[in-house]
Amino acid sequence: DGGITQSPKYLFRKEGQNVTLSCEQNLNHDAMYWYRQDPGQGLRLIYYSQIVNDFQKGDIAEGYSVSREKKESFPLTVTSAQKNPTAFYLCASSIDVGGAFFGQGTRLTVV
Amino acid sequence: RKEVEQDPGPFNVPEGATVAFNCTYSNSASQSFFWYRQDCRKEPKLLMSVYSSGNEDGRFTAQLNRASQYISLLIRDSKLSDSATYLCVVTLGDSWGKFQFGAGTQVVVTP
Repeated sequence: DGGITQSPKYLFRKEGQNVTLSCEQNLNHDAMYWYRQDPGQGLRLIYYSQIVNDFQKGDIAEGYSVSREKKESFPLTVTSAQKNPTAFYLCASSIDVGGAFFGQGTRLTVV
Repeated sequence: RKEVEQDPGPFNVPEGATVAFNCTYSNSASQSFFWYRQDCRKEPKLLMSVYSSGNEDGRFTAQLNRASQYISLLIRDSKLSDSATYLCVVTLGDSWGKFQFGAGTQVVVTP
């Protein structure tokens, strides 16, 4: 099946830890995105990438880092510099401007 | 002012009734428009694109009004399964593939 796979579904982070969220797609889409969603709020863009080895900061990039070494993969690292990381993280991909398709998301909780 | 604004609702709709709601956008250069559906604690799913001439997909009708800078979604013959949050999404004309999300309109269909 073609689609976007995020893992893990649930993730718990201790204070001061870096954690990496995985996002893989087999849709052959050029563009990939990371969004954060907080309860009752809209999606906010963290980072996006239009091609391999290139990515751009979104509206809330501080405390996050990404890489795009392969077209299929766009992992997100939540660093210890992100002071309020508890949220629902969504990865998406798109081809041109034909709409974005989302993975099932990762719920990150700080413990 | 937010780039994309939606009435958060909830819109409480009796089963079988019609419900309609709008989304306004601030950037007149916006190029592409979409409606997404998001169920509680799930990822957003593409419902339909919105074309300049308006378009229909079964019980769902989407309209675009460029002059007044809003899009609309109408749901006819509402089903219990239509209960969800509907997200308006706009792509900015000067940012290829970068999507702006509204915070969503909640629809609750009641028996």
